[in-house]
Amino acid sequence: EADIYQTPRYLVIGTGKKITLECSQTMGHDKMYWYQQDPGMELHLIHYSYGVNSTEKGDLSSESTVSRIRTEHFPLTLESARPSHTSQYLCASTGDTSVYGYTFGSGTRLTVV
Amino acid sequence: KQEVTQIPAALSVPEGENLVLNCSFTDSAIYNLQWFRQDPGKGLTSLLLIQSSQREQTSGRLNASLDKSSGRSTLYIAASQPGDSATYLCAVRGSWGKLQFGAGTQVVVTP
Repeated sequence: EADIYQTPRYLVIGTGKKITLECSQTMGHDKMYWYQQDPGMELHLIHYSYGVNSTEKGDLSSESTVSRIRTEHFPLTLESARPSHTSQYLCASTGDTSVYGYTFGSGTRLTVV
Repeated sequence: KQEVTQIPAALSVPEGENLVLNCSFTDSAIYNLQWFRQDPGKGLTSLLLIQSSQREQTSGRLNASLDKSSGRSTLYIAASQPGDSATYLCAVRGSWGKLQFGAGTQVVVTP
């Protein structure tokens, strides 16, 4: 079944650790996105990609980085996690043409202690 | 710059009542509009996708209308149930490239 997967679902990690949040989709979508959302707050776009080897920063500045080496895979990395990075991270993808809607993953809830 | 507004911000109704959620947008040059549901601490679940050429979409108890010229969409949920309690988000996709979200309407359906 075509879908978008995020792992891990929950992550508690100590300050200073390097972490990678995984996002994979099986729909062959070129366009992929990372959003950050604090509890009860709006979604903020932090990174997006329109294809392999293409990455751009979103509307909200983030210390995280992303890569897009394969169409189906769009991981997000924090080199040195801090408590201020505690949030929910949501991955999404959509098809090239305007008729497509967006599909979201289940999210990763990150807690940095 | 596209701005998306959702009214009301919060809504509480007794079970069985119909829900009416409103979404307005400032730039009518959209490709489509999508309604999502979000449960606390979870991802977004797509409910309905309306293309710019369409007037409405229906799925079960859900019906969404779109009036592109006036920049409005309405989500109707018939005969609400406690399981409908969630935050509902509308989002528009246009030539600017990225999805633009409203702030959401938080719905509570009491038994």
